[in-house]
Amino acid sequence: QLQLQESGPGLVKPSETLSLTCTVSGGSIDSSNYYWGWIRQPPGKGLEWIGSIFHNGNTNYNPSLKSRVTISVDTSRNKFSLKLTSVTAADTAVYYCARKVAADIWGQGAMVTVSS
Amino acid sequence: EIVLTQSPGILSLSPGERATFSCRASQSLSSSYLAWFQQKPGQAPRLLIYATSSRATGIPDRFSGSGSGTDFTLTISRLEPEDFAVYYCQQYDSSWYTFGQGTKLEIK
Repeated sequence: QLQLQESGPGLVKPSETLSLTCTVSGGSIDSSNYYWGWIRQPPGKGLEWIGSIFHNGNTNYNPSLKSRVTISVDTSRNKFSLKLTSVTAADTAVYYCARKVAADIWGQGAMVTVSS
Repeated sequence: EIVLTQSPGILSLSPGERATFSCRASQSLSSSYLAWFQQKPGQAPRLLIYATSSRATGIPDRFSGSGSGTDFTLTISRLEPEDFAVYYCQQYDSSWYTFGQGTKLEIK
């Protein structure tokens, strides 16, 4: 059974870079013709799509975040990662990794707080 | 950017009743790539419906989706206690995927 798990620092200082990794278990990123993506949810608010990556490295980013976002994939380690630069308090959210564009499998979510 | 507007904001119903959720897009979804998610407190969202009307794996048949163009609907035919949650629509018809603001289904 495919599972996704986010990992990374729970606290990031303003202006620094948020880095998260999603580890995929129970299946291979490389053998699937799926997009793998990141979605976030500020406390008490709705969902926002951040971006997605195909196993071959092709990416698609939310234009409102594109200048700050990089998503990469490491097929040898069955992981994909998110980097968000120059963070502010507005980037405080639960960050989810997920499989497919219409996400059918989600990680449990990682709370990231931006604060000094 | 395609903006999705969900209505109502809050839906108050009793178990056994029928629930209807609306999602209106600011532009026509030419490929009808619209999904519905259910989210309970402290949990990740769960995919219910994709491509407007296809049920995801393991989703009971009391959940159904319909619509085309700019108007889409999620229907729960007969509410079970576990259905009370927040529901989101998402379009992936354009390359900028967007979510609606959500509808909270509460127990009346």
